[in-house]
Amino acid sequence: AQTVTQSQPEMSVQEAETVTLSCTYDTSESDYYLFWYKQPPSRQMILVIRQEAYKQQNATENRFSVNFQKAAKSFSLKISDSQLGDAAMYFCALDSNYQLIWGAGTKLIIKP
Amino acid sequence: DTGVSQDPRHKITKRGQNVTFRCDPISEHNRLYWYRQTLGQGPEFLTYFQNEAQLEKSRLLSDRFSAERPKGSFSTLEIQRTEQGDSAMYLCASSSGTSGRSSYNEQFFGPGTRLTVL
Repeated sequence: AQTVTQSQPEMSVQEAETVTLSCTYDTSESDYYLFWYKQPPSRQMILVIRQEAYKQQNATENRFSVNFQKAAKSFSLKISDSQLGDAAMYFCALDSNYQLIWGAGTKLIIKP
Repeated sequence: DTGVSQDPRHKITKRGQNVTFRCDPISEHNRLYWYRQTLGQGPEFLTYFQNEAQLEKSRLLSDRFSAERPKGSFSTLEIQRTEQGDSAMYLCASSSGTSGRSSYNEQFFGPGTRLTVL
């Protein structure tokens, strides 16, 4: 079975600092996609960043970057220069042939 | 149309009643997904349409649940004889693309319908 695990229910970071959210997964497929989604309070899910498993280069989107370790099945999200607007639930997700398998989420708190 | 819309945003019902939710995807998207999200958890896949064809259903989708997408446009999710365990946020997402792998194309999510069963 394919699974996604986020072991940090909650993380907090000082504004302008850097924070890393952890995610591990399990899949038997060799080609797959991994995602980080953001869900602000009472707002809809937004894609933050995507990683294709066959690409060795870690994906980067402005202040957001990932550390993708395929052998270890690890996919962490680094947020640099944290801003108040980054406060949200962050979900790690694994593509599984037409559906996404989701972790339980990490609540990110930004301290002003 | 700038995004996925869902109606209603909130629904409170009594146990045993039937409820129906609607999702309007982004107009050019041919794929539509339904997820269920309970408090403090990530979403769980329910079902997936490509155009009007329902291609995949989770075992979570019991016989009390039915989803349709007539004419490949909007979709409805109906829950019959609701139970308190059905209380959750029901999310709809859509994406474009004809590739066999859904993740070639980003899924765009609606705001969700929050169902409370009393």
